[in-house]
Parts: sequence; structure tokens; C-alpha cells
Amino acid sequence: EVQLVESGGGLVQPGGSLRLSCAASGFTFSNYPMNWVRQAPGKGLEWVSAISAISGSGESTYYADSVKGRFTISRDNSKNTLYLQMNSLRAEDTAVYYCAKEGSTWYYDYWGQGTLVTVSS
Amino acid sequence: EILMTQSPATLSVSPGERATLSCRASQSLSSNLAWYQQKPGQAPRLLIYGASTRTTGIPARFSGSGSGTEFTLTISSLQSEDSAVYYCHQYSHWPPSMYTFGQGTKVEIK
Repeated sequence: EVQLVESGGGLVQPGGSLRLSCAASGFTFSNYPMNWVRQAPGKGLEWVSAISAISGSGESTYYADSVKGRFTISRDNSKNTLYLQMNSLRAEDTAVYYCAKEGSTWYYDYWGQGTLVTVSS
Repeated sequence: EILMTQSPATLSVSPGERATLSCRASQSLSSNLAWYQQKPGQAPRLLIYGASTRTTGIPARFSGSGSGTEFTLTISSLQSEDSAVYYCHQYSHWPPSMYTFGQGTKVEIK
């Protein structure tokens, strides 16, 4: 059974940092691209970042314009864990952050339960 | 950016009746469209990918159709547990930063 379990959310002041983790199990983690998707309170879904599966040329990373230069996605395939380092946080980053596994193409076939990040003074 | 427009914003349907949700894209997607269901306090769940392929474990009353710019999710006989927000998601145009979600359709039980 595929499981994705996020952690690391919490309350942080504007300008602060947090690192989110997503522990994966039930599939060969290194073989699949992984994503972070967020949802602001009462709002819709917004893609945040993606990281490719491991390949001969290394890993590729992608970011939404709204987080580029502030957030860094990474993965540790030895620990089956996905990360999102979030720096220079803003009030508009307040959201539930979900990690999501990609399916055979680029849709998301499994999602974690989410972790809430609140940016407020 | 490819804009995804879902309609209606809210749909109220009686149990056993058909629910038809629409998703329109600003550019052609071929069949690179997925549908997700999200119940209050829960993570989204994949229902349909490739515009019309039901994922494992999804009841047959859920079906997807369409290609290009017009897509439909149909719930053939609405059950009480189908009350949720439904999102379409296009993954047609690389890179991933180009992938976008619709704003959602809330399905209510009348």
C-alpha cells in the first residue's frame, strides 16, 4: 500500500524558514517524480514544485514562479523521503502542503494527508 | 499559462440523479487531463486520468470524457458519499510549472 506522510508544518513568522518532509512507502520511491501541491485556506489547489526521478543526468527540479528562489525541493532516495525547504516565507504561503506521487505520466496518483504551514506574526 | 475553467461552481443534485461537471482549457490538452475528488478535511484523491481512465478502486458510476479543450466528469447515479469538491488538472504542456488546476466544482446533495 502506497503511503505518503508529511511533517514539519507549523507556525512561522514572516521571513522565517521551515523544512517539510514527506516519508514514502509502498513503492520504489527513487523511480518516481514527486511533487508538492498546496492549498490556501478555503481555496483551490496550486502546484508548488516537482523533482524528477533519478536518472543518468541527475535530478531535475521545477518551481512555480511564486516560490522560485525561496523554496528548494530535494529527495533522499536512501531514506525514501521528499523535502521542501521554504525560506523567506510570506503570509501568502499559508496553506496545507501536500506531497504527491506522479503516476505513469504527470498526474498525481497518490497524495499525503497534508501539513499546515501558517505564516503570521 | 493554460487556464482551466470549471463549471458550474456549485452543483446541487438529488441522490440517484446524474451529475455532469465541465472543465474547459484555454489550449488543447489532447487527453492529458485528470480529475480529483476532495472531501472536507481530506487530501485530494485521483479519480480519472488520461481524460477517461478510471484509476483503481474508483466506482464505475464515475466516468470521464472529452479531449482537446472540453472535458466532462459524469457521476451517473449520485450517492451521498459523492458530496465533495472536484478539480480538473491539466498536465499537457511541459515543464511541470505549466501544469494547472481548475478552480473546482462543489457537488452538493439536494
